[in-house]
Amino acid sequence: QLLLQESGPGLVRPSETLSLTCNVSEDSITDSGYFWGWIRQPPGKGLEYIGRIYYTGRAYYNPSLKSRVVLSLDTAQKQISLKVTSVTAADTAVYYCASGLLVWFGESIPWRFFEQWGQGTLVTVSS
Amino acid sequence: DIQMTQSPSSLSASVGDRVTVTCRASQNISTYLNWYQQKSGKAPKVLIFGASNLQSGVPSRFSGSGSGTEFSLTISSLQPEDFATYYCQQSYSIPVMNSFGQGTKLEIK
Repeated sequence: QLLLQESGPGLVRPSETLSLTCNVSEDSITDSGYFWGWIRQPPGKGLEYIGRIYYTGRAYYNPSLKSRVVLSLDTAQKQISLKVTSVTAADTAVYYCASGLLVWFGESIPWRFFEQWGQGTLVTVSS
Repeated sequence: DIQMTQSPSSLSASVGDRVTVTCRASQNISTYLNWYQQKSGKAPKVLIFGASNLQSGVPSRFSGSGSGTEFSLTISSLQPEDFATYYCQQSYSIPVMNSFGQGTKLEIK
């Protein structure tokens, strides 16, 4: 079973850059049937999609975060990385990485869903 | 952006009850709708993809239906382990596979 593990600092100062890494247990990071995403959840609140990236390196972002977020892929290290710049207290959240599956069913757009999730890592933005 | 609205936001039910959670999209998303279950302190888990397809390993008491703008998740007979928060998510919009619903918390009556 594919395993995902997030890592990175648990505390980030306001205005600095939040950097997280997700380690993927299998070679599926280069599989065209998958994509890789980040989702966050502020304490006591709902899920917020951050963005996703494909093995080609093409990334798509939540418009509300797009100006501050960069996703990247290191296939040799089997890692997906997230950077969020100019953080504020509103960026305090549990950050999840997830593997997404593409299911083709005859339409031009496949079904896409997050199949496996990491355990999540809490990042607090505070001085 | 496509907005997803779940109802109710919370629900109390008993073991053995049949429960339905509804998700409405602000525009037509065909069958590009997923359902997730999240237990306290844990990562979400996918239950249903493509509006009505049961993910492998998910009990058959869970089912999904709908297309277009109206969707539902039904649990046919609630089990103790089903008390959790449920989220819908649309995967239609390109380039953004964005919106999660706000969640429905299912509690024990």
